[in-house]
Amino acid sequence: NAGVTQTPKFQVLKTGQSMTLQCAQDMNHEYMSWYRQDPGMGLRLIHYSVGAGITDQGEVPNGYNVSRSTTEDFPLRLLSAAPSQTSVYFCASSSTAQGEETQYFGPGTRLLVL
Amino acid sequence: AQRVTQPEKLLSVFKGAPVELKCNYSYSGSPELFWYVQYSRQRLQLLLRHISRESIKGFTADLNKGETSFHLKKPFAQEEDSAMYYCALTDSSYKLIFGSGTRLLVRP
Repeated sequence: NAGVTQTPKFQVLKTGQSMTLQCAQDMNHEYMSWYRQDPGMGLRLIHYSVGAGITDQGEVPNGYNVSRSTTEDFPLRLLSAAPSQTSVYFCASSSTAQGEETQYFGPGTRLLVL
Repeated sequence: AQRVTQPEKLLSVFKGAPVELKCNYSYSGSPELFWYVQYSRQRLQLLLRHISRESIKGFTADLNKGETSFHLKKPFAQEEDSAMYYCALTDSSYKLIFGSGTRLLVRP
């Protein structure tokens, strides 16, 4: 199994541009989520999904959209990039939405917005 | 509100010294608590969780509900323990809430 994969690894955007960060998992996990990691702030939840067709907002959803058309994929869309969205983005998945389940993380996407 | 606090941004110790990474939480119910670790140029991964009461790579963590703490301990630090450590909790809504992280640096 490849586990959780993310593309691209690194991206530079100009303010106002849009892009999609890809996340895929091959473990048939129900639960998937997106975090951003900023210095001194740890990881903050952006959006999450408990199954195909179901998404919900996390702690910092503004400026981001998600969809979950398949179990495997959970793309994160930046509609109009802003410098405040410069961060490292991690996708994670777990087999169920139960609290005690281990979450598996992708390698991250480093985003720089100029 | 649910919150995880890791008061130390950086903890520097010498090889062989004991290590304690502090984690305090605020939550009204019974949370599930975890420690995640991120080694240099690697992805975030689960180190241990309180529900399994296990010891991983020599690390242990005891949940103290009275002090609302879940400190991570290791009696003898190794250089390969150098990494970023995150304490996290999840409640019945299954969302993980992370602390701000502590960078552990083990010097030779």
